[in-house]
Amino acid sequence: DGGITQSPKYLFRKEGQNVTLSCEQNLNHDAMYWYRQDPGQGLRLIYYSQIVNDFQKGDIAEGYSVSREKKESFPLTVTSAQKNPTAFYLCASSTRGTSGSNEQFFGPGTRLTVL
Amino acid sequence: AQSVTQPDIHITVSEGASLELRCNYSYGATPYLFWYVQSPGQGLQLLLKYFSGDTLVQGIKGFEAEFKRSQSSFNLRKPSVHWSDAAEYFCAVGDFNKFYFGSGTKLNVKP
Repeated sequence: DGGITQSPKYLFRKEGQNVTLSCEQNLNHDAMYWYRQDPGQGLRLIYYSQIVNDFQKGDIAEGYSVSREKKESFPLTVTSAQKNPTAFYLCASSTRGTSGSNEQFFGPGTRLTVL
Repeated sequence: AQSVTQPDIHITVSEGASLELRCNYSYGATPYLFWYVQSPGQGLQLLLKYFSGDTLVQGIKGFEAEFKRSQSSFNLRKPSVHWSDAAEYFCAVGDFNKFYFGSGTKLNVKP
């Protein structure tokens, strides 16, 4: 089945540690996205990538980093510089477009808790 | 600047009753509009989308939405709600290679 997988589903981290969230898609999509979701705030864009080896900051990129070495994979690292990392993280992908009409497909999410 | 507003944070309806979830957007050109649904602890699933043409669009699970340019609205409707519709609903506008999401509306369904 085609889709997006995120792992792990739950992740616990101690303060001061970096942690990497995995996102893989087999939809042959060029574009991939990372969102952060907090209660009552909807989805906020962290980073996005329209093509391999290229990515752009979203609205809340501080304290996060990404890489896009393969089309299928877009890992997100939450660094110790992120002041409030406890949240639900969603990865999405879409066909590449410049009009905003390309539907985004979402993974099941990773819930990160900082202890 | 592009933005999406969902004025209702929580809505409770009785099973079998009709539903309307409000969405207002701010966008400088013809918008690409989407409604997604999210069950607790899950990802988002697309319900429907509007690009152009007929302003009333049909989606999955019996949902529909109407685009009203004069009101900058894209409200989601369902004639008869089922208990399984309890979830959080997000409206979004697509802009070039990014989406802007509203803050969501949580729907509770009373038996």
